[in-house]
Amino acid sequence: ETGVTQTPRHLVMGMTNKKSLKCEQHLGHNAMYWYKQSAKKPLELMFVYNFKEQTENNSVPSRFSPECPNSSHLFLHLHTLQPEDSALYLCASSQEAGVNYGYTFGSGTRLTVV
Amino acid sequence: DAKTTQPNSMESNEEEPVHLPCNHSTISGTDYIHWYRQLPSQGPEYVIHGLTSNVNNRMASLAIAEDRKSSTLILHRATLRDAAVYYCILGVDAGNNRKLIWGLGTSLAVNP
Repeated sequence: ETGVTQTPRHLVMGMTNKKSLKCEQHLGHNAMYWYKQSAKKPLELMFVYNFKEQTENNSVPSRFSPECPNSSHLFLHLHTLQPEDSALYLCASSQEAGVNYGYTFGSGTRLTVV
Repeated sequence: DAKTTQPNSMESNEEEPVHLPCNHSTISGTDYIHWYRQLPSQGPEYVIHGLTSNVNNRMASLAIAEDRKSSTLILHRATLRDAAVYYCILGVDAGNNRKLIWGLGTSLAVNP
């Protein structure tokens, strides 16, 4: 049982839809991340939040909009996506933002844009 | 960006040790070495990380070369549940740029 829960597990959406991905952790971590995993490509960091403040936006298109209302919850709002945005979207958390901590990942949301 | 090089795939037998190699010749002095693994239909799972010294935990051991340009993840006794993609990752820590640099990993098959 992972300490990071992502919902939904699967999502199919049209290019004109608006949807949101949810991530929740109760590990007491202060940093949360969104990653994108596409087939045959390395994981791509999208956004970093540390103590609820966004500290990194890795040149992500504005059709992806993150929200972090508190240290336990992270959302990724999606609108007017393209078929190439189809991928596995992973949420992770760590004690603090940085590379001296292990990251705990959720199981991901498999997104298909049609 | 600093990067790692791993074999695309490896094979091992159940109950035998497994040594997964990783080269990171461009590593900087402040970069951490992380290992994660990913089973099908799951997110990555943290295995171990270190900076300069060898590290042990309940899952595995991490052996880091003296010049830090390579490392080896050691699974002491492989089980069928260890079949996964193993990622060797550099944790770059350079001022405001702090992130994990992922590669494509090694797909480990474990034979019964």
